[in-house]
Amino acid sequence: SQQGEEDPQALSIQEGENATMNCSYKTSINNLQWYRQNSGRGLVHLILIRSNEREKHSGRLRVTLDTSKKSSSLLITASRAADTASYFCATDDQTGANNLFFGTGTRLTVIP
Amino acid sequence: SQTIHQWPATLVQPVGSPLSLECTVEGTSNPNLYWYRQAAGRGLQLLFYSVGIGQISSEVPQNLSASRPQDRQFILSSKKLLLSDSGFYLCAWTIDQYSSPLHFGNGTRLTVT
Repeated sequence: SQQGEEDPQALSIQEGENATMNCSYKTSINNLQWYRQNSGRGLVHLILIRSNEREKHSGRLRVTLDTSKKSSSLLITASRAADTASYFCATDDQTGANNLFFGTGTRLTVIP
Repeated sequence: SQTIHQWPATLVQPVGSPLSLECTVEGTSNPNLYWYRQAAGRGLQLLFYSVGIGQISSEVPQNLSASRPQDRQFILSSKKLLLSDSGFYLCAWTIDQYSSPLHFGNGTRLTVT
């Protein structure tokens, strides 16, 4: 299965600290995406990084991709209580159908 | 702007009853449409995807089926629900372009009793 796997499963930090989540996957990809899910809601797209990119930034988010290790990391800097959510990585299946396969997620809790 | 509507938000159904969940997208044409299921505390499992009217692909064998009767309408159905069909069902769309992000609805919480 192409499904990714996030690490850690759960993370609890104080407001203002940085949060780092990792994602590992199994097969070659064209791109990797990160999503956020508030409890009981749909997922929201955060950032996409292509296989030929190594790092990408968006506001307080920084994503890295290491295709040789088949891994990615999501860094949230200066965390806020509102960042509390589950974070998922998703990879494509290279079939061209734009199907995404999601990991099991990291549950982030930011304590005010 | 594009919006996605998914209903109902919650549903409690007895085992053996039928199911129909509906998803519609506004503000775009010819989207790729997806149904995902999320078990409690788990990741998302891709159930079905559609690249056009009447075109349905299934990712896993199961008790469910999907249909796309109109360009921006995607329906998830079952003739007889099982306990194992309980979960959080999410509809999503994307433009017909490789490496484009998915846009999700707010989901339907289905409990089969």
